[in-house]
Parts: sequence; structure tokens; C-alpha cells
Amino acid sequence: AQTVTQSQPEMSVQEAETVTLSCTYDTSENNYYLFWYKQPPSRQMILVIRQEAYKQQNATENRFSVNFQKAAKSFSLKISDSQLGDTAMYFCAFMKGTNSGNTPLVFGKGTRLSVIA
Amino acid sequence: KAGVTQTPRYLIKTRGQQVTLSCSPISGHRSVSWYQQTPGQGLQFLFEYFSETQRNKGNFPGRFSGRQFSNSRSEMNVSTLELGDSALYLCASSLRGVETQYFGPGTRLLVL
Repeated sequence: AQTVTQSQPEMSVQEAETVTLSCTYDTSENNYYLFWYKQPPSRQMILVIRQEAYKQQNATENRFSVNFQKAAKSFSLKISDSQLGDTAMYFCAFMKGTNSGNTPLVFGKGTRLSVIA
Repeated sequence: KAGVTQTPRYLIKTRGQQVTLSCSPISGHRSVSWYQQTPGQGLQFLFEYFSETQRNKGNFPGRFSGRQFSNSRSEMNVSTLELGDSALYLCASSLRGVETQYFGPGTRLLVL
């Protein structure tokens, strides 16, 4: 079974600074996807970024980027120019790749990020 | 496109009652997955429906069930509610179930 570990339960960052959230995972699969989701106080789960394991290039979405180290099974999220609206719980998630059927998301326990003015 | 919608948003029930939660996926999405979120257990997969068929099921008791309609809307039912069923229930949709899942706002269930 796959497992996802987020070792930082809580983090804080000053507005406009950069912060990195860590995530490691354990799998024997070769084809899979990794995600970062954000859950603000409203509890709505919002997709931040997605990475396909077969792609060597790290995914980026505006101020959000990942450092995907496949051999080390590490998938960290970097948030640049942090904004107050980035305050949220961040979840790292794993999904097996498949051409059919469904593979559920496996989530880490989350990292609570507070952006301080 | 409208996002995933869930109704109701909040629900209070007493032990022993049953409850039905509803989820409408993004238009064109045929896969609907349900997750339970609690402070102690985190996010756990309940089940997934695709084309009105349950394709995958998590490790939950039979009191938790669901169904999907021909328009891809899904309902989740919990019978004989227990205090431990208090949670945020999240629904997620995707095109076929093998792509990115997009979440609804959740239904917060409190069992007294």
C-alpha cells in the first residue's frame, strides 16, 4: 500500500517570503501522479499543482512550484512571494496511474501554513 | 463550468438515525469519489462511482453506501449513525476516475 508522509505539522512564513513544504511517499509503482491540495478555513479542497511521475521536469503554477525527486520519493512544494491568502492546510496526495478503473487519492496528514503580515 | 456542488453543507443528526448526502459533479465528469475527513484519521477514501457502478471501495463498514444516477449525480448514505461518523464528507469528480480529482465544498455532519 502507498503511504504519504508530511513531516511538518505546522509552518509559518512572513508575507512576501518563500516557504517550502515537504512530502515523502512510499510506493513500488512506476506510474503515478502526485498532487498538492490546499484547504483554507472554508474547508474547500483546492488543487494547487500536479506532477506526473514520468515527467522529469518539475511542475510550476505561478508562485507555486515543486521539487520532484523520484529516486528519493520526495515531492516538496515551494511557495514564492507568500500572500495572506495562502494561509491554509496543505495536503500532499498520491494516485496510482492506470488506464482504467479508479485509484483513490492517498493523502498525507497535512501541513498547516500560516502567512504572517 | 460550475464546480462540484454538495448538499446540504451542514447537518446535525442523532445517533441511530440515517443520513443522505448529495454530490453533483462538474459537467461532463462521470466519476465521483467520496472521502471522509476527521481530525484523527485524516482523509480516507470511502468509494468511487463511475457510470452508475461502484468501482472501488475503501475500508468502511456496510453502514456506508452510495449510488450514482444516470446524470452522474451521486448520493452517499450512512445508516445507524454513530458519534464517530461526525466528519467532513468530501466529494470529488473527475472525467473517468484516472485523472485529477476536483473537490466540492463538503458536507459537515455532526452526530449527537
